[in-house]
Amino acid sequence: GNSVTQMEGPVTLSEEAFLTINCTYTATGYPSLFWYVQYPGEGLQLLLKATKADDKGSNKGFEATYRKETTSFHLEKGSVQVSDSAVYFCALIPFSGGYNKLIFGAGTRLAVHP
Amino acid sequence: DADVTQTPRNRITKTGKRIMLECSQTKGHDRMYWYRQDPGLGLRLIYYSFDVKDINKGEISDGYSVSRQAQAKFSLSLESAIPNQTALYFCATSDPGLAGGSDTQYFGPGTRLTVL
Repeated sequence: GNSVTQMEGPVTLSEEAFLTINCTYTATGYPSLFWYVQYPGEGLQLLLKATKADDKGSNKGFEATYRKETTSFHLEKGSVQVSDSAVYFCALIPFSGGYNKLIFGAGTRLAVHP
Repeated sequence: DADVTQTPRNRITKTGKRIMLECSQTKGHDRMYWYRQDPGLGLRLIYYSFDVKDINKGEISDGYSVSRQAQAKFSLSLESAIPNQTALYFCATSDPGLAGGSDTQYFGPGTRLTVL
């Protein structure tokens, strides 16, 4: 079946630290991969996405590269800020030719301290 | 103004009560979705709709029903609420456009529902 596995949180970092949140997936075919972010008290927002192998999605200093050989889509940022504190969800849409349901990981909470 | 709105934002109700959560969108999207979020489980799909005449069950539809009153409105009902339906509920919309299946979903702010 199709699934997404993320590293468990919370992840606690000091401001300006390097961030990695691991995400691996299981899917048939060639899925599209996403990172969504949920700030406190808000709904989810798309952070970045990649639709084919070796694509790199990037936004707001965050990056993730679609690695088909390792079935991974790890989220990275070189220098985090307090305002990056949120819950991050890795997700995929499996490519099956019909309606493609968005499948989420469990989410990883990030807390950045000054 | 927000593109996807949900009402109410918070609701406390009692076991056995009927409750409706409403979602409206101004994005002009045909596709709409209802999810619930539970700690440690991510988001799970309850129902989705491709247009006014198309309603489909998601992975956890038992105990829920939906109504697509118009392109812009998609309501979720709990006919007889129970405590394990206590969760955060999100509405979302998307537009597949020309690319087909990898459409981005846009989420509302959520409704926090507590069933006592």
